[in-house]
Amino acid sequence: GAVVSQHPSWVICKSGTSVKIECRSLDFQATTMFWYRQFPKQSLMLMATSNEGSKATYEQGVEKDKFLINHASLTLSTLTVTSAHPEDSSFYICSASRGGTQPQHFGDGTRLSIL
Amino acid sequence: KNEVEQSPQNLTAQEGEFITINCSYSVGISALHWLQQHPGGGIVSLFMLSSGKKKHGRLIATINIQEKHSSLHITASHPRDSAVYICAAPYNNNDMRFGAGTRLTVKP
Repeated sequence: GAVVSQHPSWVICKSGTSVKIECRSLDFQATTMFWYRQFPKQSLMLMATSNEGSKATYEQGVEKDKFLINHASLTLSTLTVTSAHPEDSSFYICSASRGGTQPQHFGDGTRLSIL
Repeated sequence: KNEVEQSPQNLTAQEGEFITINCSYSVGISALHWLQQHPGGGIVSLFMLSSGKKKHGRLIATINIQEKHSSLHITASHPRDSAVYICAAPYNNNDMRFGAGTRLTVKP
């Protein structure tokens, strides 16, 4: 149980385009979803926390107009990287939780490469 | 100082060896996670533990809440165990703090 699917797993696109990444909890209702970013050989850095039906809470230094997060249902959250640039190239990972102190379940991640 | 410290940063072992990875944290938590990140990037949650010891196959995780220390052990290591192992400490509301990870390479 507790499967989280992230799509796409890899995306390459031109600078200036917007990229949407989906995170789905397949077999449970995810009250809370988290978006992380990981640079090579570094640890995961939390970008934002989203609760179903409300606005995401962004970590300091993360541009909310750049990284649009939508958590419209209990099984789906999306991260849209708007007007992506090469410096946005990174590994993005989502996780989902039933909320409270329930554990997070991680997606497989999305490798984003901006040319 | 990072709130979650892991050691060693890199670890190379021969197949069959007993592996220990350590994690120390500086904040009060109710539980600690051990995660495994495969070379492709996907993350698997190995353990969440709040006290004592948990075992799953060849993996054993221990935690000492008073000393704010946890260890992950791998018995009879195998090349397929090669991955990055990350400990993570959740703050309130599931806000996680991650260690930098331990890159394990098990050679045949």
